[in-house]
Amino acid sequence: QVQLQESGPGLVKPSETLSLTCTVSGGSISSYYWSWIRQYPGKGLEWIGYIYSSGNTNYNPSLKSRVTISVDTSKNQFSLKLSSVTAADTAVYYCARGAASSGYCLGYWGQGTLVTVSS
Amino acid sequence: EIVLTQSPGTLSLSPGERATLSCRASQSVSSSYLAWYQQKPGQAPRLLIYGASSRATGIPDRFSGSGSGTDFTLTISRLEPEDFAVYYCQQYGSSAMYTFGQGTKLEIK
Repeated sequence: QVQLQESGPGLVKPSETLSLTCTVSGGSISSYYWSWIRQYPGKGLEWIGYIYSSGNTNYNPSLKSRVTISVDTSKNQFSLKLSSVTAADTAVYYCARGAASSGYCLGYWGQGTLVTVSS
Repeated sequence: EIVLTQSPGTLSLSPGERATLSCRASQSVSSSYLAWYQQKPGQAPRLLIYGASSRATGIPDRFSGSGSGTDFTLTISRLEPEDFAVYYCQQYGSSAMYTFGQGTKLEIK
């Protein structure tokens, strides 16, 4: 059973860089699309970007200038960096897996981690 | 960017009733790339339907999806108490981007 687990600081100061890691267990990171999605408290879902296992990335244009997603296949992990954060970046951050064979739907999700931006 | 608009925003029904949730796209979406998710409080979204009409593993057959082009529907044939949650549609499309609808809250009447 594939499982995803987000990890990283729950509190980040304004103007600093938010860094999260998603660890994948129960399956290989190869040949899938690995996304980061966030959800503002009580609100809907916003896709941040994804990385394919080969390292190709695609980002939401609204965040592109501040986002970097990377992958470490040796550790079965992928990571998110979001720079110059403000209070507006406070959200629950999810990692998820997409598969081309099933229309890129997000079949597996981490439990989510709340990141608060505050001084 | 394709915008997905879900309706209604809130749907109030009783257990045993039929629920019909709508997702309308601002431009045509490939059915292959349309999915539905269920989210309960404090939990991550769960995949219900992919490819517009295929149920994900372990999803009961009271959940069904249909539609094409710009209009898609999630139907729950007979509501169970555990079905009351928020439902999101999602598409993967041009520019290889994901977009989500704003969600429909299904609440107990």
